[in-house]
Amino acid sequence: SQTIHQWPATLVQPVGSPLSLECTVEGTSNPNLYWYRQAAGRGLQLLFYSVGIGQISSEVPQNLSASRPQDRQFILSSKKLLLSDSGFYLCAWSFGTGGINSPLHFGNGTRLTVT
Amino acid sequence: ILNVEQSPQSLHVQEGDSTNFTCSFPSSNFYALHWYRWETAKSPEALFVMTLNGDEKKKGRISATLNTKEGYSYLYIKGSQPEDSATYLCGGDQFYFGTGTSLTVIP
Repeated sequence: SQTIHQWPATLVQPVGSPLSLECTVEGTSNPNLYWYRQAAGRGLQLLFYSVGIGQISSEVPQNLSASRPQDRQFILSSKKLLLSDSGFYLCAWSFGTGGINSPLHFGNGTRLTVT
Repeated sequence: ILNVEQSPQSLHVQEGDSTNFTCSFPSSNFYALHWYRWETAKSPEALFVMTLNGDEKKKGRISATLNTKEGYSYLYIKGSQPEDSATYLCGGDQFYFGTGTSLTVIP
């Protein structure tokens, strides 16, 4: 069976500090990978998605970047955090072969507070 | 960008009541409509993925319908139980989500 791991669970970082959130998937190959953010009082917003190693699509221009150095590893980064980066970040995967019909499988999320 | 809207924002029902929520979106502007249940302190869990106009899916006491021509989907819960308390999210494809409907089932 497939599992997704996302860490850390919570993070408090000062403004201007760097960020690295990591997500790994086990039990499947060539998954589609996603980063979402839920800001306070807002819906789930897609930040980045990837259909393969080194292939990253950005949905919202912002202070964040994503990388996929390995097939089942997805990293969300920032060089300098802003207060507006605070929120709940979710990583997810779906079967690459299923396309848009494939349901998402989410990690447990990271609560990021930028102070 | 696909504008997905959900209503109501929150809902309180008594145990045993049946209830339903709405997800609306610009018609014919997507390929698949997804429903997820998000319980507190857990990650969202997929309920249904629907693609065809008139599609109807069921999982236990929960069912969903899709009308792509008029741009809406309904999620129904029959005989609500306290364990159904969660936020229910709908999304267009895997990209565009509404803000969710928060359901509280009162014992």
